Amino acid sequence: QITLKESGPALVEPTQTLTLTCTFSGFSLSTSGVGVGWIRQPPGKALDWLTVIYWDDDKRFSPSLKSRLTITKDTSRNQVVLTMTNMDPVDTGTYYCGHWTLSDGLDVWGQGTRVTVSS
Amino acid sequence: QTVVTQEPSLTVSPGGTVTLTCASSTGPVTSAFHANWFQQKPGQTPWALIYSTTNRHSWTPARFSGSLLGGKAALTLSGVQPEDEADYYCLFYYGGAQGMIFGGGTKLTVL
Repeated sequence: QITLKESGPALVEPTQTLTLTCTFSGFSLSTSGVGVGWIRQPPGKALDWLTVIYWDDDKRFSPSLKSRLTITKDTSRNQVVLTMTNMDPVDTGTYYCGHWTLSDGLDVWGQGTRVTVSS
Repeated sequence: QTVVTQEPSLTVSPGGTVTLTCASSTGPVTSAFHANWFQQKPGQTPWALIYSTTNRHSWTPARFSGSLLGGKAALTLSGVQPEDEADYYCLFYYGGAQGMIFGGGTKLTVL
């Protein structure tokens, strides 16, 4: 059974860097074809795809956010870490991580973690 | 910048059939986009329904089906139930530097 869980601060101040961790079980990020992605959703708005890291350490980023995002993996600890720099109130929302394969899509999501950007 | 477009809202009667679509600003949608569809109810995490354009997950009710229709990806709900009232999102895989992009979502009302 695949599960993922996001963790990190609920509140960050404007201009600070956000660091979120996705801890997963039920799969290995060293298995060919597997990726872990991050998605966010501002309150009352649509889903917004941010980034994905693959088993081979290949990474893809949303073009509009690429300069602010970093994604890394720790295969031994079953964790993926997302950092987003220069946070702004418009970055407020729920941040999700998800299990991705090209064959099965973004099939399992974490429960999400709410992040508020405010001073 | 690439944009994925969905109908903002649709209304369907219980027991009816409705089709939601997703278009890409890059041109006709093909199987190479590996369209995914998700359902999200208020206050809940999105729930995967369809992957690779046409494939249902093991947990997806048979009344949900995915297809390509007129150059778009489509999600058809047949025999709509009241509990199908939700927001629906598509996700396209572009590969390359673009990665993936969600559509803006369709709010489906069952009335």
